[in-house]
Amino acid sequence: SAVISQKPSRDICQRGTSLTIQCQVDSQVTMMFWYRQQPGQSLTLIATANQGSEATYESGFVIDKFPISRPNLTFSTLTVSNMSPEDSSIYLCSVVDSGNTIYFGEGSWLTVV
Amino acid sequence: QKEVEQNSGPLSVPEGAIASLNCTYSDRGSQSFFWYRQYSGKSPELIMFIYSNGDKEDGRFTAQLNKASQYVSLLIRDSQPSDSATYLCAVTLVDSWGKLQFGAGTQVVVTP
Repeated sequence: SAVISQKPSRDICQRGTSLTIQCQVDSQVTMMFWYRQQPGQSLTLIATANQGSEATYESGFVIDKFPISRPNLTFSTLTVSNMSPEDSSIYLCSVVDSGNTIYFGEGSWLTVV
Repeated sequence: QKEVEQNSGPLSVPEGAIASLNCTYSDRGSQSFFWYRQYSGKSPELIMFIYSNGDKEDGRFTAQLNKASQYVSLLIRDSQPSDSATYLCAVTLVDSWGKLQFGAGTQVVVTP
């Protein structure tokens, strides 16, 4: 199974600032995704991180707010830009491994004050 | 609109009993169905997935899928206090493997 590391695990951020979350996988994976889980809510897909090209965003999410990079098959970043308290959430990286199983990282818990 | 629905609970289950969780989905194109467990303050962890009609067993867990009726269920046998968590049902479509659509989750409380 794929081992996923996310950084930071937690952070408290000032409104108006931006934060970049990193997702590192211990093996090459074909697909990587970013999800958000707002307080008391379930997970919502933000975007598919495409290797070497622009991410594919789901309805309601835009690149200016959530720029994503994926320079190779083991690493991706999600930036939460110009944060507001409504962005306080858990942000999770997800990958599909060689066995087509879907796994989640431990999550990055962001609080915007 | 594609939806995945679960009862939010809480579902209270005596220790040692069977917990039964249900999930319905609206998109008949849904291909595979996943159950995740999420403890408070933790990320979701995969319990099991199923993609064929019928039952699939893994230890104390059994997933049941009925595509005609568009529901998937999870049974937890011999429930333990450590099973107290939120259980998330998720589905993925044929043309978008890996992209999960989640239900709201069912909170399970196992009482000693």
